[in-house]
Amino acid sequence: NAGVTQTPKFRILKIGQSMTLQCAQDMNHNYMYWYRQDPGMGLKLIYYSVGAGITDKGEVPNGYNVSRSTTEDFPLRLELAAPSQTSVYFCASSHRVLLPFSGNTIYFGEGSWLTVV
Amino acid sequence: EDKVVQSPLSLVVHEGDTVTLNCSYEVTNFRSLLWYKQEKKAPTFLFMLTSSGIEKKSGRLSSILDKKELFSILNITATQTGDSAVYLCAALYGGATNKLIFGTGTLLAVQP
Repeated sequence: NAGVTQTPKFRILKIGQSMTLQCAQDMNHNYMYWYRQDPGMGLKLIYYSVGAGITDKGEVPNGYNVSRSTTEDFPLRLELAAPSQTSVYFCASSHRVLLPFSGNTIYFGEGSWLTVV
Repeated sequence: EDKVVQSPLSLVVHEGDTVTLNCSYEVTNFRSLLWYKQEKKAPTFLFMLTSSGIEKKSGRLSSILDKKELFSILNITATQTGDSAVYLCAALYGGATNKLIFGTGTLLAVQP
């Protein structure tokens, strides 16, 4: 029972490089999300998707792109990495309908630590 | 602007103490309030509160939502060192998109 799987767990990028953070879920969730968490801060929504082929911007989308070609996968691409993108990135997924018990909620991956130098 | 505010920012207690963590929100199209526990890695789900005044309990943890005053509290009784973590509250909003606005979290340290 893998849940939400993110790769890589750690990465150091040089300014101007590009990379893709991978996210996969095996719970047949339609909804997927990317959040970033800066030190001492709450999570902020970057992009989200309500189904394959559908994506939309969250609070902080600048400098990122996403795609959703399958239900399972939701990669996040960083173009021209900047120091301001140093953060921990969390992918999450859920069913469309959330219920108030642990069996049906928003599930998070274990995070990808990214440093841009 | 939509926001979720948690207090205190950090808290140090001794094992056996009872703690109360606070979360207030001002969010357009508010649907529910969620609590998560974060121990260095992924936030893990604790509670989802949709109705006002109904307490949710799980072991030593409990939580309640006040939709009139726009706040929620998370109580932990008889704290243990394993309760040490960042506790995040998040407001679910925005129709059918299930988007969350998070607070900055409360860092709880439980000393033996």
